[in-house]
Amino acid sequence: QSVLTQPPSVSAAPGQKVTISCSGSSSNIGNNYVSWYQQLPGTAPKLLIYDSNNRPSGIPGRFSGSKSDTSATLGITGLQTGDEADYYCGTWDDSLSAFVFGTGTTVTVL
Amino acid sequence: EVQLVESGGGVVRPGGSLRLSCAGSGFTFEDYGLSWVRQAPGKGPEWVSGINWKGGRTGYADSVKGRFAISRDNARNSLYLEMNSLRTEDTALYYCARSMGAGLRIYDFDYWGQGTLVTVSS
Repeated sequence: QSVLTQPPSVSAAPGQKVTISCSGSSSNIGNNYVSWYQQLPGTAPKLLIYDSNNRPSGIPGRFSGSKSDTSATLGITGLQTGDEADYYCGTWDDSLSAFVFGTGTTVTVL
Repeated sequence: EVQLVESGGGVVRPGGSLRLSCAGSGFTFEDYGLSWVRQAPGKGPEWVSGINWKGGRTGYADSVKGRFAISRDNARNSLYLEMNSLRTEDTALYYCARSMGAGLRIYDFDYWGQGTLVTVSS
């Protein structure tokens, strides 16, 4: 049972925008940077966002991250069929002294 | 090109032991913290253990504390996970993952291996 809570699923039509929330507490998101990962079926997770709002080289600008207090948000604009995947947030938890992943969100392109 | 290649997975009986290895290449191995992350079938990823750049600091998830031990050999560009007293709930694909920083306080994993499968079953 994760300390970071995400909605189980979100969906939208191609070209539209989706946002995925990640809710935590002062011991994790409230005091640390957040990262986001995309996992396509049968593959390893891929880093999309680091330090809460930065994109690694090669990640399109359609993906964005933000953080406010004890919550973080991943935004995907211009939704494409290739974006259908599971998405996870993650951060360090000071109370657990452990890295924690969110519960995960499945994105469906209608 | 950064590469992480895991090995050592297999089928083991409950109570048994296994040692996983991860070989890194394409980057200065000793400059980065490393972790093991596992994913049970149909579940999300779970951080198992991490180690800082020099190997002097390690951390473990509560679910494996006292049973697993992480280590690294920077001369061999290798990361290890010694797993003892294995349980059926340890069955998962085990990934080796690189942190963007050198310390144990981890914020992100920028490179992942392809994983090695551990099955604990009688």
